[in-house]
Amino acid sequence: ILNVEQSPQSLHVQEGDSTNFTCSFPSSNFYALHWYRWETAKSPEALFVMTLNGDEKKKGRISATLNTKEGYSYLYIKGSQPEDSATYLCARMDSSYKLIFGSGTRLLVRP
Amino acid sequence: GAVVSQHPSRVICKSGTSVKIECRSLDFQATTMFWYRQFPKQSLMLMATSNEGSKATYEQGVEKDKFLINHASLTLSTLTVTSAHPEDSSFYICSAGDHNEQFFGPGTRLTVL
Repeated sequence: ILNVEQSPQSLHVQEGDSTNFTCSFPSSNFYALHWYRWETAKSPEALFVMTLNGDEKKKGRISATLNTKEGYSYLYIKGSQPEDSATYLCARMDSSYKLIFGSGTRLLVRP
Repeated sequence: GAVVSQHPSRVICKSGTSVKIECRSLDFQATTMFWYRQFPKQSLMLMATSNEGSKATYEQGVEKDKFLINHASLTLSTLTVTSAHPEDSSFYICSAGDHNEQFFGPGTRLTVL
């Protein structure tokens, strides 16, 4: 099994703060990097699917970057809101289309 | 996005019994569905890939005779935990989709007493 690491494990920020998390992964046999947002008692929600080195994607206040050569992706949240509180998962997909997940970053945004 | 449901959301059973978990794609057809398991404080781990009309492909270390998977239609895959034991207590979650996108169900919390 090839490990996907996420840091930090958990993060508490104040409403309005901007924040970012890291996902690192083995760069060999890379196909895609997926980011999910997972609220308690709900289904994980897809945020981004990134494939190309240098990719940058944005959805509202959330954006992500990808570096496939060094094996990392950053997720940024600008002006965090309490509703952003969730666990953010990244998953590496290899050429067999299997997803290998990190253990997630749990974000809590205080009002 | 597409919707995937799971049933039941929570189940408690006695050791030795079998438990069936259903995964349904509600508004799309899914040739392929995936079953994951998550133990406390750990990552989602792929157990098996379920293919409609054919045998499931199991990941290394996952016993196919213990975790029976049936994908008889394009909208339904089932995972049966046979002769469940306390160490099978976990969070089981399915997804449906392909290499472009996977849609997840809300998961099933299994507790084996």
